[in-house]
Amino acid sequence: DAGITQSPRYKITETGRQVTLMCHQTWSHSYMFWYRQDLGHGLRLIYYSAAADITDKGEVPDGYVVSRSKTENFPLTLESATRSQTSVYFCASSPAQGKGNQPQHFGDGTRLSIL
Amino acid sequence: AQKVTQAQTEISVVEKEDVTLDCVYETRDTTYYLFWYKQPPSGELVFLIRRNSFDEQNEISGRYSWNFQKSTSSFNFTITASQVVDSAVYFCALSFNDYKLSFGAGTTVTVRA
Repeated sequence: DAGITQSPRYKITETGRQVTLMCHQTWSHSYMFWYRQDLGHGLRLIYYSAAADITDKGEVPDGYVVSRSKTENFPLTLESATRSQTSVYFCASSPAQGKGNQPQHFGDGTRLSIL
Repeated sequence: AQKVTQAQTEISVVEKEDVTLDCVYETRDTTYYLFWYKQPPSGELVFLIRRNSFDEQNEISGRYSWNFQKSTSSFNFTITASQVVDSAVYFCALSFNDYKLSFGAGTTVTVRA
């Protein structure tokens, strides 16, 4: 089915571990995004990508790494997880047409807990 | 810098009451886009509406309506005759030609039967 899929849905890990969150979309959207959602902050942009091999930092990029070798995949890696990175992570995508007026379509989120 | 403020953290109403969610934004750009998203208890984010800065026409969609006023930098959202299924967190968001969304902190709406 067409859509945007995040995996895993839930993840528990320990501080210092590396963890990768996966995001896959089947719409061939040019733009993809990673947000984290924390109480009182809404969603904050971590990284985004305009196309394969083009990525850029968002509002809160520290401690995260992204890559985009294929249009449909946009994994997010926490290289050395910290407790402050406990959060719900959302991946989103949007087409390039129409500049910024295209709505972003979100995955179901990954709830990440770092002990 | 752009900013979106949703001053109401939580709103609780009884079913069939109307509820209005406030959204105030700050930007110096003349071209921008405003959005509302809904996040029900199941957690997913659902797109509701978008508006561009050149279109101040208000919109009604069923029990939902939106009032966009550039003069006060506001893009308010009203749910008429609320229902229990409207219980959710509602986010207002702002973007520009760079595609990045800036979200407000969200307003939690609880509709009691």
